[in-house]
Amino acid sequence: GQQLNQSPQSMFIQEGEDVSMNCTSSSIFNTWLWYKQDPGEGPVLLIALYKAGELTSNGRLTAQFGITRKDSFLNISASIPSDVGIYFCAGHSRSNYQLIWGAGTKLIIKP
Amino acid sequence: NAGVTQTPKFQVLKTGQSMTLQCAQDMNHEYMSWYRQDPGMGLRLIHYSVGAGITDQGEVPNGYNVSRSTTEDFPLRLLSAAPSQTSVYFCASSVAGGASGANVLTFGAGSRLTVL
Repeated sequence: GQQLNQSPQSMFIQEGEDVSMNCTSSSIFNTWLWYKQDPGEGPVLLIALYKAGELTSNGRLTAQFGITRKDSFLNISASIPSDVGIYFCAGHSRSNYQLIWGAGTKLIIKP
Repeated sequence: NAGVTQTPKFQVLKTGQSMTLQCAQDMNHEYMSWYRQDPGMGLRLIHYSVGAGITDQGEVPNGYNVSRSTTEDFPLRLLSAAPSQTSVYFCASSVAGGASGANVLTFGAGSRLTVL
C-alpha cells in the first residue's frame, strides 16, 4: 500500500539538541498529523495540521504543513530524555478514506 | 475516562490456534480500526468499521476477521494463527473517519502477539 517517506529512520542526539524530521508524499494531502509512541504504548497525537503553510506549536514541538501539500516537518527544540520514542507522520487526502502512515522516526538520546 | 482498552496485553499462541483480541472504547466513537505494527514498517491497517454493523477491509486483512455488533466493541479474530501474524496490534477509534473527519485517532496500549 501507499506509504509516506519519513526520514530519518532513527536519530541519536545529545540532550539539549534540536531535532528535525520530515515526511514526503507523491500525492497531495489535506491533513497532516504527527504522533508519538512511547515504548510499550500506543501512538498519541502531538499536532494536527489542516492548511498548506500552517505552522503549529505544542510546547517545544513545532510542525509545518508544506506549501506544496506533499510534505510536512516536525521540529523539537532543546530535547530532553522523555522525548525518546517513535514519531509517526500520517496524512489524509480526499481521494483516500484512510490515513496513510510513515514508517516512523526513532529518537534516541545519548546518555 | 478509560479511552480505548485492549486485552490481552500479551499472548503466545501455537500455529493453528485461534484467539480474539478485544477492543472497547467509551468515547461513543463511530469509527474503529485495527492496525498491526512491525519493525520498520510503521502501522498497517487490518480492518475498520464506520459504525455498528459495518466493517471493511484495510491494507492487510488476510487471516483476520472482525465484527461490530455495538458502538463500543470491535474484536479482532485470528482463526488459524501463523508465525507471520507475530506482531503488536493496536486498536484505534475516532469520532468519524475518512473525508468527513480528520481521522484524529485515539489508540489503545497495544496487544503483543507471538505465534510459535
